[in-house]
Amino acid sequence: GQQLNQSPQSMFIQEGEDVSMNCTSSSIFNTWLWYKQDPGEGPVLLIALYKAGELTSNGRLTAQFGITRKDSFLNISASIPSDVGIYFCAGFTSGTYKYIFGTGTRLKVLA
Amino acid sequence: GAGVSQSPSNKVTEKGKDVELRCDPISGHTALYWYRQSLGQGLEFLIYFQGNSAPDKSGLPSDRFSAERTGGSVSTLTIQRTQQEDSAVYLCASSKRTGTGTEAFFGQGTRLTVV
Repeated sequence: GQQLNQSPQSMFIQEGEDVSMNCTSSSIFNTWLWYKQDPGEGPVLLIALYKAGELTSNGRLTAQFGITRKDSFLNISASIPSDVGIYFCAGFTSGTYKYIFGTGTRLKVLA
Repeated sequence: GAGVSQSPSNKVTEKGKDVELRCDPISGHTALYWYRQSLGQGLEFLIYFQGNSAPDKSGLPSDRFSAERTGGSVSTLTIQRTQQEDSAVYLCASSKRTGTGTEAFFGQGTRLTVV
């Protein structure tokens, strides 16, 4: 099935560092969502974006809806060990009412 | 309920057997989705229900897979004659569908292992 391009695929960072990841698509979306998934759990919603150009924060997380509506990025500032996990982007279009997910970014934080 | 509930959490079945996976969405959410996640992979769309409308089954991988949603609430995903390649985590999500998109919330998933 269709998946969005998400990068990087994985990253190791030191505790306290900032992290950036992004998601790109060949299609336009109405909504971008970012999720975090811990082992053995379902994805947990972190941030939702509804308008092109929108910049939204949730604690140490900041995400932006690209102005072309074909991309989004997520930043995590001052990473901590509990940020470890897999981060997924998801795009939603009201044409199909489906959420299309990215391939995931696996984050590992070194204390 | 407070969140999306899925059962069972884990299911081990023999090849060729049928299995049923259950999803209880968040109360008041009219949209319900099933996704499949193979080990280390992303989420693959399977099927989407919205109210009383006909479901979007475009993601079901074969006719061995089917799903129903009774009374606009609980959904059951059925896999007949299971194969080893069906082993995966099956995730259910629900949302309040609005015209411009909305947030989808996931259950903890059912880990299916076909031996």
